[in-house]
Amino acid sequence: GAGVSQTPSNKVTEKGKYVELRCDPISGHTALYWYRQSLGQGPEFLIYFQGTGAADDSGLPNDRFFAVRPEGSVSTLKIQRTERGDSAVYLCASSENYGYTFGSGTRLTVV
Amino acid sequence: KQEVTQIPAALSVPEGENLVLNCSFTDSAIYNLQWFRQDPGKGLTSLLLIQSSQREQTSGRLNASLDKSSGRSTLYIAASQPGDSATYLCAVKRNAGNMLTFGGGTRLMVKP
Repeated sequence: GAGVSQTPSNKVTEKGKYVELRCDPISGHTALYWYRQSLGQGPEFLIYFQGTGAADDSGLPNDRFFAVRPEGSVSTLKIQRTERGDSAVYLCASSENYGYTFGSGTRLTVV
Repeated sequence: KQEVTQIPAALSVPEGENLVLNCSFTDSAIYNLQWFRQDPGKGLTSLLLIQSSQREQTSGRLNASLDKSSGRSTLYIAASQPGDSATYLCAVKRNAGNMLTFGGGTRLMVKP
């Protein structure tokens, strides 16, 4: 596609529920990143994929967070047993060579 | 661990002013530095990317400089316009690994 697409744009869920956030990167980009941005702060790294494999998952805060990219294109960020502290904007970016292209993000609100 | 700081956190200027946004980083072993713009409720738009071997990059009214040895970068905006109002984020990419480390951003408001 022309840009990085993230769905849904907004998600409200109850504490304790499971959510999935989807990222569709730019076609042909092998690198894909997930970041989390809390209000008034810069994005924080979560996980990086090179192709199908997670090359660096050191930013995932705990084992409730998991991400997959089974065919090396679309990626899904999965959060189990959501907590109110998980509320943030989740940003996805894809990259080829030097620059990054970010999606518009999914705003997750846990109530 | 790399830490990126942006000063000021917020800035309000009248239209037409030239202004400078500052970014500092603690580990000078970087691969590149990138400046982004973020509008409310939107993703990040890349403005300028400076490789570690470069000193500056220019795009229109924007000029970004990099002093790797002192761990600093500045974003210069000439003749500011109300449409420049947004949050500006700088981010560094390490030599090892591919993640970006972001600063907290500078929220800029340009008043007509």
